[in-house]
Amino acid sequence: GAVVSQHPSWVICKSGTSVKIECRSLDFQATTMFWYRQFPKQSLMLMATSNEGSKATYEQGVEKDKFLINHASLTLSTLTVTSAHPEDSSFYICSATSDSRFQETQYFGPGTRLLVL
Amino acid sequence: GNSVTQMEGPVTLSEEAFLTINCTYTATGYPSLFWYVQYPGEGLQLLLKATKADDKGSNKGFEATYRKETTSFHLEKGSVQVSDSAVYFCALSDRFLEDDKIIFGKGTRLHILP
Repeated sequence: GAVVSQHPSWVICKSGTSVKIECRSLDFQATTMFWYRQFPKQSLMLMATSNEGSKATYEQGVEKDKFLINHASLTLSTLTVTSAHPEDSSFYICSATSDSRFQETQYFGPGTRLLVL
Repeated sequence: GNSVTQMEGPVTLSEEAFLTINCTYTATGYPSLFWYVQYPGEGLQLLLKATKADDKGSNKGFEATYRKETTSFHLEKGSVQVSDSAVYFCALSDRFLEDDKIIFGKGTRLHILP
């Protein structure tokens, strides 16, 4: 089956720094990628939808200037947490699909755990 | 390790039919169980959840009961509508482990015919 990778799997950073998380589709071209956030012991929250070559669509309540998403190619989307603070500590998951009409399933990355000190 | 297995799709039903999508899990701890839904063109949305054995989650006419004895969390709806056409993902998250990351099944695509 299709594989989606994320890098890094774990990151610890100081408050005020920026962190970039990569999401790659390894064996297919991902026209659409989604970014989710899982708060500790809770369910997922959709943050944004990223389409290759266009600006990401953010969900209500998600700060687009804080969570910068770039989908520069059909195999790579990046999420940059700018000026991270401890409340940004979370588990971030991406998913990708090869079909913009969603006739195909989406594939999940393994997630990136961010800890901001 | 923890895992989720759900029935493969696509599942095609007529409107007003009864729906069951099977989901079973393997977990070493005490997981919370979830059903997520992805409508065409959208991201995942939480449909319902249950956090302990015998809990029943329900939303929008869908129900699922956390069965520890059978390690199952089957999704049911008594009368489906065309608007229920979507992909449904079963998932778990182990609340008492350090690594509580969410683990998904592969998804089941549901087609409802008018």
